[in-house]
Amino acid sequence: DQQVKQNSPSLSVQEGRISILNCDYTNSMFDYFLWYKKYPAEGPTFLISISSIKDKNEDGRFTVFLNKSAKHLSLHIVPSQPGDSAVYFCAAYDYTGTASKLTFGTGTRLQVTL
Amino acid sequence: DAGVIQSPRHEVTEMGQEVTLRCKPISGHDYLFWYRQTMMRGLELLIYFNNNVPIDDSGMPEDRFSAKMPNASFSTLKIQPSEPRDSAVYFCASSLYLRTVSGNTIYFGEGSWLTVV
Repeated sequence: DQQVKQNSPSLSVQEGRISILNCDYTNSMFDYFLWYKKYPAEGPTFLISISSIKDKNEDGRFTVFLNKSAKHLSLHIVPSQPGDSAVYFCAAYDYTGTASKLTFGTGTRLQVTL
Repeated sequence: DAGVIQSPRHEVTEMGQEVTLRCKPISGHDYLFWYRQTMMRGLELLIYFNNNVPIDDSGMPEDRFSAKMPNASFSTLKIQPSEPRDSAVYFCASSLYLRTVSGNTIYFGEGSWLTVV
């Protein structure tokens, strides 16, 4: 049962254009969301996050939007650069008392072309 | 500052053999996680430790998998016997806190690529 879903396994975008990566979730207990970026042969690294009390968080070229009613979040990269080519994982924390796990999606491979 | 260190980086083994993956977390981090990455399921949490004690192993796929953390600076994930469907990238990660309310606390190693033939 995949609680965090990234339905697009891959995305190709031209350099300079906007990249939009989508993520849907099913668990209403999720209260904090993160995006990780992963280059080949490396571990995932943190990119940007958003709390469930917000609907937008921006960090330079990266903006994450959260739509709680739709249980949907998206990562916007503007403008896209070739160095952004990587696999992007959406992840979410659920807070259930003292226990909390970070649940990841399946990832979206972004390719930024020249 | 050293990050999470995993070994081996690559392992090719025959079905039925025992595989041991190793991890050294970031010094001072109280939590250690083992994740597995596959195309179908993405990054799955297998088990995590707090202060060397296993807290949640509900993600361990079956009894063939076991994990230990004998001290604060070392953990192993063992598969015995290994099967071709265990082929995946296994990540170790560590963090100071279990979760965060801002930013990020979890840091991943570079992964161990396992191929079981």
